[in-house]
Amino acid sequence: DAKTTQPNSMESNEEEPVHLPCNHSTISGTDYIHWYRQLPSQGPEYVIHGLTSNVNNRMASLAIAEDRKSSTLILHRATLRDAAVYYCILYGSSNTGKLIFGQGTTLQVKP
Amino acid sequence: DSGVTQTPKHLITATGQRVTLRCSPRSGDLSVYWYQQSLDQGLQFLIHYYNGEERAKGNILERFSAQQFPDLHSELNLSSLELGDSALYFCASSVLAGSYNEQFFGPGTRLTVL
Repeated sequence: DAKTTQPNSMESNEEEPVHLPCNHSTISGTDYIHWYRQLPSQGPEYVIHGLTSNVNNRMASLAIAEDRKSSTLILHRATLRDAAVYYCILYGSSNTGKLIFGQGTTLQVKP
Repeated sequence: DSGVTQTPKHLITATGQRVTLRCSPRSGDLSVYWYQQSLDQGLQFLIHYYNGEERAKGNILERFSAQQFPDLHSELNLSSLELGDSALYFCASSVLAGSYNEQFFGPGTRLTVL
């Protein structure tokens, strides 16, 4: 399974943008880049996903490098509710049906 | 609220017992996935069903089994329970089975084996 590398933890101030990086140098051409987050005491929550182009939705933006070996999840204005563990996952034909969760990045948001 | 429901929310049982966890996917979703989250192993994929058929298996123990019924709900059966099976069990669903599909997770069932 293709692996991703994320920082263990990050801090942000409330109402400031947050850029969560993810490295995935062994990504294959058919792998989608998915981001999920898990708030304390809750199940994982889908955030965003993309293949090659940058993506925006109501929750976040996903910036994908041109060579696809890295990506960045962007939260435009962090709120206290965004404090969670964020997982960057490669999801492709080699592991269809199974999201392989790594350790993720624990995001702390300070008021 | 993801639209995925899981019952029960909490389950306390003894070693050697058998339990059944139930999952109802979002309306219209054909795929159901089961995950286990423990403190030492993190979130681990167990098994995936699509429209009643098993599609992918993770590191699911032989003591565990699952099925998806014609109405698309799914059950995860855990037998000969051990202390180490204590964990959060999540069910997720998606419309189809491809890697472009996002998965929607339920609130989980917390299993405690004493």
